[in-house]
Amino acid sequence: SQTIHQWPATLVQPVGSPLSLECTVEGTSNPNLYWYRQAAGRGLQLLFYSVGIGQISSEVPQNLSASRPQDRQFILSSKKLLLSDSGFYLCAWSAGPGTYEQYFGPGTRLTVT
Amino acid sequence: DAKTTQPTSMDCAEGRAANLPCNHSTISGNEYVYWYRQIHSQGPQYIIHGLKNNETNEMASLIITEDRKSSTLILPHATLRDTAVYYCIVRVGGNAGNMLTFGGGTRLMVKP
Repeated sequence: SQTIHQWPATLVQPVGSPLSLECTVEGTSNPNLYWYRQAAGRGLQLLFYSVGIGQISSEVPQNLSASRPQDRQFILSSKKLLLSDSGFYLCAWSAGPGTYEQYFGPGTRLTVT
Repeated sequence: DAKTTQPTSMDCAEGRAANLPCNHSTISGNEYVYWYRQIHSQGPQYIIHGLKNNETNEMASLIITEDRKSSTLILPHATLRDTAVYYCIVRVGGNAGNMLTFGGGTRLMVKP
């Protein structure tokens, strides 16, 4: 069966510090991968998605970036965090075009102080 | 993608059916209706989807009106663990990326 992992589960970082969140998927190959962010009390916002290694599409321009160095690994990064980057970051995968379900990881709660 | 409208919150008694409505009056012919839920501090969970026929799985039933302008998610016997925010999403299937846009959703509170 497929599983999706995210780490760390929680993170407290000062403003201006770098960020690296990692997501890995097991039990499937060539998945579509997604990064979402949920601010407190708000709905989910799609940040990035990837349909293959090295292929990243950005939905919202900001100081975050994403990379996909391996088929089942998706990384969210920032060189300098802002207070507004605080939130709940979720990674998700789907089996590819033509499928309708996305499966989400447990999330990383980021607090920028 | 078509816009969806859901009530902000609903209550349901434990053991009773929870009927969650969603309006999507601008839905186009090739757009599917998806339902997800998010339990507090967890990632969203896929529940069910449909195009025009009613659908049922082990979690819920999805009833779509004949004109497809609205739908209802039914949890037949709600439990306390069904307390969550439920998102109705309309999306064209089969596109590269299959991105989902989550709105505000309905906060369902199941009470003993």
